[in-house]
Amino acid sequence: IAGITQAPTSQILAAGRRMTLRCTQDMRHNAMYWYRQDLGLGLRLIHYSNTAGTTGKGEVPDGYSVSRANTDDFPLTLASAVPSQTSVYFCASSPGTGGYEQYFGPGTRLTVT
Amino acid sequence: GQNIDQPTEMTATEGAIVQINCTYQTSGFNGLFWYQQHAGEAPTFLSYNVLDGLEEKGRFSSFLSRSKGYSYLLLKELQMKDSASYLCAASDSNYQLIWGAGTKLIIKP
Repeated sequence: IAGITQAPTSQILAAGRRMTLRCTQDMRHNAMYWYRQDLGLGLRLIHYSNTAGTTGKGEVPDGYSVSRANTDDFPLTLASAVPSQTSVYFCASSPGTGGYEQYFGPGTRLTVT
Repeated sequence: GQNIDQPTEMTATEGAIVQINCTYQTSGFNGLFWYQQHAGEAPTFLSYNVLDGLEEKGRFSSFLSRSKGYSYLLLKELQMKDSASYLCAASDSNYQLIWGAGTKLIIKP
């Protein structure tokens, strides 16, 4: 693994189903983030983790949950998907908070029908 | 509230210079980032300004005025590969990034 990876690349999901988007980084970064990107809108922060074992809510956390059991992994779970969660989801990491650039994964394109 | 404004779309000619402006309003301020995003790809880091002034990095430069809540990204000697969206993001008091919707830059031969 080099950098930050996400899986799956794309997914079509029936409304009401549960789904976990996976994110793994091998850079030993402390901070990790989940964003969604919708046409015409900026990236919006869903959840973040400043260090392993801690998580926080971003701008649009409703309907999503995260965990950070170790440094490398930061999965995002949709408990019961709704069509408004159709979006491109990006995971990102940074060495820390404050002045550090964020490195982005390739994204997951999710369609909820 | 927190807000980032940047133009939706700009067009420029190959070999020319283009300036993409960004204004921001955030609760606290800990720096201004610019990212490039090609269609269908992830954003990649271009620049970071925390102090007033101009930061130059090859063909790209970024400027910040904290008192005016204003930044710009300057791209020189435009190449076709510079066709992309350019995202402005301000770091707020909690070091979270507030993102603009992006400026789609179209380069014409």
